[in-house]
Formats: sequence, structure tokens, C-alpha cells
Amino acid sequence: GAGVSQSPSNKVTEKGKDVELRCDPISGHTALYWYRQSLGQGLEFLIYFQGNSAPDKSGLPSDRFSAERTGGSVSTLTIQRTQQEDSAVYLCASSSQGKNSYEQYFGPGTRLTVT
Amino acid sequence: DAKTTQPNSMESNEEEPVHLPCNHSTISGTDYIHWYRQLPSQGPEYVIHGLTSNVNNRMASLAIAEDRKSSTLILHRATLRDAAVYYCILKPGTASKLTFGTGTRLQVTL
Repeated sequence: GAGVSQSPSNKVTEKGKDVELRCDPISGHTALYWYRQSLGQGLEFLIYFQGNSAPDKSGLPSDRFSAERTGGSVSTLTIQRTQQEDSAVYLCASSSQGKNSYEQYFGPGTRLTVT
Repeated sequence: DAKTTQPNSMESNEEEPVHLPCNHSTISGTDYIHWYRQLPSQGPEYVIHGLTSNVNNRMASLAIAEDRKSSTLILHRATLRDAAVYYCILKPGTASKLTFGTGTRLQVTL
């Protein structure tokens, strides 16, 4: 079946611009996660959605970062006023049960380059 | 969160078994041991997980020490496609996010 998809696969933007990254989770998965992977910081958690519960935003690095999940499915990660340190691969993952789930399924990522 | 320690890199010959170690001396009783791997230019991929007993699946085996302070991921016959970064992660039973360390970069040669 279809896995987690992300778009765009690559995004180049100028410093100060806003960007939106999209994630389509596996159909029926109630939990959705955003991570980012950069050379200096490795793979780090950003935000987690589980059903209708309030999202866990504990990993968001600043208030320039926000995310939404509409209709319990598609999610959009928005970065406002991008900075060069935001350059990274942004990874989305989904799982079937959230806290008790064992497997997270990752998408291929969006490579963001801020010039 | 409890921390894991893994070697930075390991090498293996193709078709030989590979034992990837992980130390987690501060593991708590509710921590599950998860392994993920990340192939070049791809997102991480689940490999296996366990709590106390050894586990086997189609990809690998997980051997967990009796005191749970260490574990070993076993690839029974490494292939070139197994070349990846392998992450050992402790995931509290009540938590959902994955906390990645630096992992072990496995190189597989002919």
C-alpha cells in the first residue's frame, strides 16, 4: 500500500521567506510526527499529533515553527521568516496507535535549503 | 530520557553475520528497546523492538541482556543493501516520540 508521502521533495527559499511543507500519512494512521535532520543536530523531534488531542509541540525550536493537521489526516509544517539554520531535511512519520504504537513509518523527507 | 551508546561505525563482509551493540545502562523498567535504520537518502525504517525477551523478525534478531543494560541487533547475513546508519532508541512505554542518537554507520563490503 501507499506509504507516507511528503511534498515538495526539495525546496530552496530565500532567508526571510515563509515555507510550507506537506505530509500525507498512511491512511488510517491516527498519529503523525514531524522530525528534522540537520548536519549539526542529527535527527530531532519537532511535533506530534494524535487524533483530536492537543499536539505535543515540545520539540519546536522557535515560535517561527508551527504545524497543523486538518481532518486528522494531512499535515502542514510552516516555517515563518526562514533562517539559514533552518536548512535541513524535514521528515514526517505516522503510526497507527500513537503512544502504544511500535512502528513509525517515515516519509522520504523534504530537503529545505535557505539561501 | 535514558541514553544509548553505540559505536560510530562498523564494517562487515557480505553474507556474514553482523552484531551491532548498544549500551543503555540507565534504562528504566518501562523503556522499550527500538532499532531503526536509515539507508542513504531515505527516511528511517523500523527494524525491531523488544522489552525483556529476545526477539526475531524477518529483518533481524534482537538479543537483550538479562539486566537490560545492553542489547545487540543481529543481522544474520549482511547484504550490500544493509549498509545504513542503525539507531538504538529507548522509548518509554507512555511516550510517543523517538529520540535519536548518532547511531552506528554500517559498511558492508564484498
